[in-house]
Amino acid sequence: GEDVEQSLFLSVREGDSSVINCTYTDSSSTYLYWYKQEPGAGLQLLTYIFSNMDMKQDQRLTVLLNKKDKHLSLRIADTQTGDSAIYFCAGPPGGKLIFGQGTELSVKP
Amino acid sequence: NAGVMQNPRHLVRRRGQEARLRCSPMKGHSHVYWYRQLPEEGLKFMVYLQKENIIDESGMPKERFSAEFPKEGPSILRIQQVVRGDSAAYFCASSLREKVYEQYFGPGTRLTVT
Repeated sequence: GEDVEQSLFLSVREGDSSVINCTYTDSSSTYLYWYKQEPGAGLQLLTYIFSNMDMKQDQRLTVLLNKKDKHLSLRIADTQTGDSAIYFCAGPPGGKLIFGQGTELSVKP
Repeated sequence: NAGVMQNPRHLVRRRGQEARLRCSPMKGHSHVYWYRQLPEEGLKFMVYLQKENIIDESGMPKERFSAEFPKEGPSILRIQQVVRGDSAAYFCASSLREKVYEQYFGPGTRLTVT
């Protein structure tokens, strides 16, 4: 079955760019997602990318997909303290989401 | 358009009691998904339902757990005879029938078993 892996922690300074990485195993995933979870809250869908795309940009967010290496990344430009959260990548084989374990992003002023 | 609603937000149960978690999907959404987040872990899929039908329950524990999504009313995740290991955050998501790739999550129910 699908397996999704992420690094657990990332610390950046305010104003820097953050890059959160994810690898997945199921090459049949048609969509790949990034969700954000703030402490004590639910998950917020940030963005998703179709598997026939290499890149998607949405304001400060850039998603890069390398299908050959099965690697997905989320870049946050001009990172702010409000971006501190846990970020999950996920892939959906057949409607149910399979999540990575989450990357905790810490933004220092 | 209200988002996905879950209640209660926090639920405390003693070992052996029953827990009932409710999820009201976004307006117009006919598909509901339940996920569990154990402490310090990511989310794990439990079950995927549409009204009056379970589509995929491959993530549900074999015993004590059940889910339904009736024609009227919210989806219910029911845990019988709770044990300490059931303590977790339970999240519900919903989607349109034709957009199962776009799931929106509720705020979660945090279950604590004492």
